[in-house]
Amino acid sequence: DGGITQSPKYLFRKEGQNVTLSCEQNLNHDAMYWYRQDPGQGLRLIYYSQIVNDFQKGDIAEGYSVSREKKESFPLTVTSAQKNPTAFYLCASTGGNSRRVEAFFGQGTRLTVV
Amino acid sequence: AQSVTQLGSHVSVSEGALVLLRCNYSSSVPPYLFWYVQYPNQGLQLLLKYTTGATLVKGINGFEAEFKKSETSFHLTKPSAHMSDAAEYFCAVSDLTGNQFYFGTGTSLTVIP
Repeated sequence: DGGITQSPKYLFRKEGQNVTLSCEQNLNHDAMYWYRQDPGQGLRLIYYSQIVNDFQKGDIAEGYSVSREKKESFPLTVTSAQKNPTAFYLCASTGGNSRRVEAFFGQGTRLTVV
Repeated sequence: AQSVTQLGSHVSVSEGALVLLRCNYSSSVPPYLFWYVQYPNQGLQLLLKYTTGATLVKGINGFEAEFKKSETSFHLTKPSAHMSDAAEYFCAVSDLTGNQFYFGTGTSLTVIP
């Protein structure tokens, strides 16, 4: 079955450490997204990519970086510059197909600073 | 940019009662509209969507929503709440390319036995 896989499900980061969250999809979707979710704030867009080797900043890109070297993969790195990284991170993808315009989501990664 | 407003961050209903979750969007051009459900520590699951055609859309788990262009609304309803409906619900819109999504801040639904 096609879908989006995020790993790990839980991640702990020490102060000053960079960590990378994985997102892989086998839906053959062109566009991929990273969202951050905090209680009461809904989903906030971090980065998105509409094609391979291209990506754009979202509303809260500071302290994060991404790459899109393969269509299937869109890893997110939370750098030490992100001062409050504890949150739930969601990866999503869309196919741009006129019949399937919805976003598909992974199961999320919960990142905690220790 | 478009925006989505969900009225009521917390809604409580009794089991068996009507569920009504409100969503309004701002757009001069009717966008694509979605409702998603999220259970704790999980991703978002699509409940239903409106793209074109019939304005009353039926989704999974007995939910439905009606697109009202004149009111720029897309409220979610279910005639009879079940305990398993307790979750976070998000309304979302996208532009017609389907590449830009805008989410509301979510409504947490509690079902009282």
